[in-house]
Order: sequence, then C-alpha cells, then structure tokens
Amino acid sequence: EVQLVESGGGLVKPGGSLRLSCTASGFTFSTYTMNWVRQAPGKGLEWVSSISGTGTYTYYADLMKGRFTISRDNAKNSLFLQMDSLRAEDTAVYYCAREITGTTFWFDPWGRGTLVTVSS
Amino acid sequence: QSALTQPRSVSGSPGQSVTISCTGTSSDVGGHNYVSWYQQHPGKVPKVMIYDVSKRPSGVPDRFSGSKSGNTASLTISGLQVEDEADYYCCSYAGDYPRVVFGGGTKLTVL
Repeated sequence: EVQLVESGGGLVKPGGSLRLSCTASGFTFSTYTMNWVRQAPGKGLEWVSSISGTGTYTYYADLMKGRFTISRDNAKNSLFLQMDSLRAEDTAVYYCAREITGTTFWFDPWGRGTLVTVSS
Repeated sequence: QSALTQPRSVSGSPGQSVTISCTGTSSDVGGHNYVSWYQQHPGKVPKVMIYDVSKRPSGVPDRFSGSKSGNTASLTISGLQVEDEADYYCCSYAGDYPRVVFGGGTKLTVL
C-alpha cells in the first residue's frame, strides 16, 4: 500500500524553527517528485514546495522562499521541510503529497498531515 | 502568486447536477492541460477526483467530470448524492514558477 506519514508538527513561538518529516512506503520513493501543501484552520489548500526525485530541483511558493527549505533522503524514503522564522500565519496542517508526473500532473496520495501552531 | 478563483459555495438537491468553475490565467489553467480537482470532507485528507482536466482515477464515479475552456476549468457532478457534500479544490500546474497553484475552494452543499 502506498502510504505517506508526516511527523514533526507542534507548537512553536513566532520566529522559531521546526522540521517536518514525511516517511514514504509502498513505492519507489526516489523516482517521484514530492510536495508539501498546507491548510490553515478553516482555509483552503496552499502549495508550499516541491522537490524532484533526485533532490536536484526545488521550488517554493513566494511566501515561503528564504524561510523554508525542502529536502529529501532517498535512502530513508523521507521528505523534510525545514521551517525557519515562523510567523503566526504559518499555522496550518502540513500535508506531504506524491506528485504523479510525466505526461500528467496530479497529487496522490496525500499524508494525513501534521499540525504546526505558531503562537506565543 | 494568486490563487485560482472558485465560487465560495454551490448547492444542489439530490439527483441534480452542479458545476464548479475554476478561473486562472494563461500561465496556469489556460497554458497547460494539467488541472486536477480534489474533494475534501471535514477533517479528512484531500482526494483526487479529476486529473489532467477530464480524466478520472479508478474508483471515482463517472458522475464526476471535468472540462476546460480557455482559462477556466470546470468540475461537474451529476446525479448529486448526499455524500458528495464536501469542499472541492481545483489545482493547476503553472510552469517552473510558481509551479503549482490551488483554487480557494468551493463548499458544495447537497440540500
């Protein structure tokens, strides 16, 4: 079964840092681009960042550029999101999602998410 | 980058059809045939219902269909069922930058 499990969320003060992890199973992790997508409480989905299968290419939404760093460890089937200089508006459930690409483009599956709360 | 524009809410009665629109630009929706639609029930994980504008993953009922005209994509749900009540999000590939953009979401109420 293809599965993604996020971890690392929690309560952090404004200006603080947090590192999220996503552990994949059931597929050849290194051959897929992976993404982080977040959802603030009661709000919509917002794309955060993508990383290519080899880790060579990374992409960020404007709001996260310079503060968030996406990375991966293919030997451990793991995806990471290092979040620095956190703001209250970064409070959200963070999902990791596998990207299906080639001559197609969609996200499947999604993990269950990990909640990040930025508050003093 | 701006989110794709969706109506905040739509409603319909069981058995009816509803259409949810998703308007972007020539850089995202209009420039690529890579629009997908996700269904999210409260407290649940998003689930893909349509990908590549009009393709259905296995297991998704054929009551769900997608289309695109210019910079606007649409999701149509026919033969509405109570369990279709959920939030729906469109998503488009947008090139190397910003690469991915989501719509603001539409709450579907089945009356």
